[in-house]
Amino acid sequence: DGGITQSPKYLFRKEGQNVTLSCEQNLNHDAMYWYRQDPGQGLRLIYYSQIVNDFQKGDIAEGYSVSREKKESFPLTVTSAQKNPTAFYLCASSIEAAQPQHFGDGTRLSIL
Amino acid sequence: GQQLNQSPQSMFIQEGEDVSMNCTSSSIFNTWLWYKQDPGEGPVLLIALYKAGELTSNGRLTAQFGITRKDSFLNISASIPSDVGIYFCAGKRSNAGNMLTFGGGTRLMVKP
Repeated sequence: DGGITQSPKYLFRKEGQNVTLSCEQNLNHDAMYWYRQDPGQGLRLIYYSQIVNDFQKGDIAEGYSVSREKKESFPLTVTSAQKNPTAFYLCASSIEAAQPQHFGDGTRLSIL
Repeated sequence: GQQLNQSPQSMFIQEGEDVSMNCTSSSIFNTWLWYKQDPGEGPVLLIALYKAGELTSNGRLTAQFGITRKDSFLNISASIPSDVGIYFCAGKRSNAGNMLTFGGGTRLMVKP
């Protein structure tokens, strides 16, 4: 089945560590996105990529990094510089930037 | 980026009742999207709207693109227990790189 796969579902990080969240899609979509969701709030854009080997900062990029070496993959690294990383992270993709986005099932990151 | 003003924040209704929620903004949007999110999962696209005044249905759901292009409405008729979840509106502005701006969500609870 085609879709967006995020892994792991739950992730724990020690303070001072970097962690990488995986996002893979087999929909042949050009555009991919990372959002952060805090309890009771909407989604905020971290980074987005409209095409392979290119990505742009979203509204809350500080403390995060991404890469887009392959069309189907858009991993997000939460660095130690992100002081409040506990959140639900959602990856999305769309055929192109102007088309509706479809979401994965998210990764919940917690700090030990 | 600014969030859309979505209301109400939460609703607790009896099964069988109709539901109405809306999103407003001071900015003009060229696309409105409505998503539903179940606990621990990613949002699922319900309806996409592309023209001012457009009225689109998806089963018991009906959404409208406001004529001023600054608002959108979602109605659910004859609610059932599986309608429970968080409903998000999202809009795209043509001068914002086609990025989505999300509302804060409406949490719907249905009493059987």
